[in-house]
Amino acid sequence: QVTLKESGPALVKPTQTLTLTCTFSGFSLSTSGMRVSWIRQPPGKALEWLARIDWDDDKFYSTSLQTRLTISKDTSKNQVVLTMTNMDPVDTATYYCARELLTSFDIWGQGTMVTVSS
Amino acid sequence: DIQMTQSPSSLSASVGDRVTITCRASQSISRYLNWYQQKPGKAPKLLIYTASSLQSGVPSRFSGSGSGTDFTLTISSLQPEDFATYYCQQSYSSPRTFGQGTKLEIK
Repeated sequence: QVTLKESGPALVKPTQTLTLTCTFSGFSLSTSGMRVSWIRQPPGKALEWLARIDWDDDKFYSTSLQTRLTISKDTSKNQVVLTMTNMDPVDTATYYCARELLTSFDIWGQGTMVTVSS
Repeated sequence: DIQMTQSPSSLSASVGDRVTITCRASQSISRYLNWYQQKPGKAPKLLIYTASSLQSGVPSRFSGSGSGTDFTLTISSLQPEDFATYYCQQSYSSPRTFGQGTKLEIK
């Protein structure tokens, strides 16, 4: 059974750096074709794709957020980590990680709500 | 970036109705288009991948069609559990992009 679970702080202050961890099971990110993405959703708004890391360590970022994002993986721990610098209240959202198999996000984590407030 | 535009943004319908949601890409994405269903407080769920392939476990009343820039999601006979928000998403290129969502409400 494939599962993913996000973890990280529920509250961060403006200008701080957010670090989120996606811990997964049921697949290996060293398997050819496997990818994990981060996606967020502000309250009441649409989904926004943030970043992706592939089995071969290729990395891709949102055009508008690429200067603030870093994605990495620890294959031995089955984890993907996303950092976002210079957090702002507009970054308040539920952050999801999801497996991308072939061409779609087939399995999602439950999401973790992050509030940016002083 | 490829922009995805859904219409309508919201839709009221009754149980048993046939409903169609449209998604348009700003450039051709071949058939690299996926549809997701999201219920309040829950993560999105994959319904349709590569435009018309039904994800395992998804009821056959859901179907998808289209290629190039224009795509549709059809629900043939709405059930009470189908009232949710639906998103399209392109996987033709990175960055991946989603539509703005279509909220399907009970009439």
